[in-house]
Amino acid sequence: EAGVVQSPRYKIIEKKQPVAFWCNPISGHNTLYWYLQNLGQGPELLIRYENEEAVDDSQLPKDRFSAERLKGVDSTLKIQPAELGDSAVYLCASSLAGLPTGELFFGEGSRLTVL
Amino acid sequence: GDSVTQMEGPVTLSEEAFLTINCTYTATGYPSLFWYVQYPGEGLQLLLKATKADDKGSNKGFEATYRKETTSFHLEKGSVQVSDSAVYFCALNRDDKIIFGKGTRLHILP
Repeated sequence: EAGVVQSPRYKIIEKKQPVAFWCNPISGHNTLYWYLQNLGQGPELLIRYENEEAVDDSQLPKDRFSAERLKGVDSTLKIQPAELGDSAVYLCASSLAGLPTGELFFGEGSRLTVL
Repeated sequence: GDSVTQMEGPVTLSEEAFLTINCTYTATGYPSLFWYVQYPGEGLQLLLKATKADDKGSNKGFEATYRKETTSFHLEKGSVQVSDSAVYFCALNRDDKIIFGKGTRLHILP
């Protein structure tokens, strides 16, 4: 079974440029998460989807970040414009909704460097 | 709000040494607790879990017991190997919101 797939793995851009990250979750997983991981820190939730609906986006900086999950499968996270402080690893994870233990399956992450 | 605190690293041990990584949590009610591991160049993966008080999670020789009285979920292994070198994250789950600690980097010397 294929795991969570993210792309690109690495991205280097100049500040004020836009960037987008893509995530394909495990087949059948209807819950999808985007996490931000700064160097030396634990992952922090940006947004959580149940199917197409964003059920928790309270930590998403909506002035420059946006996300979508069309058709309840793939998801895209966009930053426009990027700032130096956005340099981090962006993690996508998925899980089966209703699973009481809340186990997450993570992709390898997309590492963003903003110059 | 809910939070997880784990011991700062890096932790450096010799092969076959005993390992403990401390983790305490703050939460209302009784969340599920997890240890995730991130090996070099790989994504985070679940190592073990416990869903209620006094449960013991175990996997790959690692163990952690859900202690409600001390709000702790310490990770232990009796004899570490070089291949255990990784970053370990303690986490809790409340209503499908997974909150992670900052991670503890573990180095095992041969």
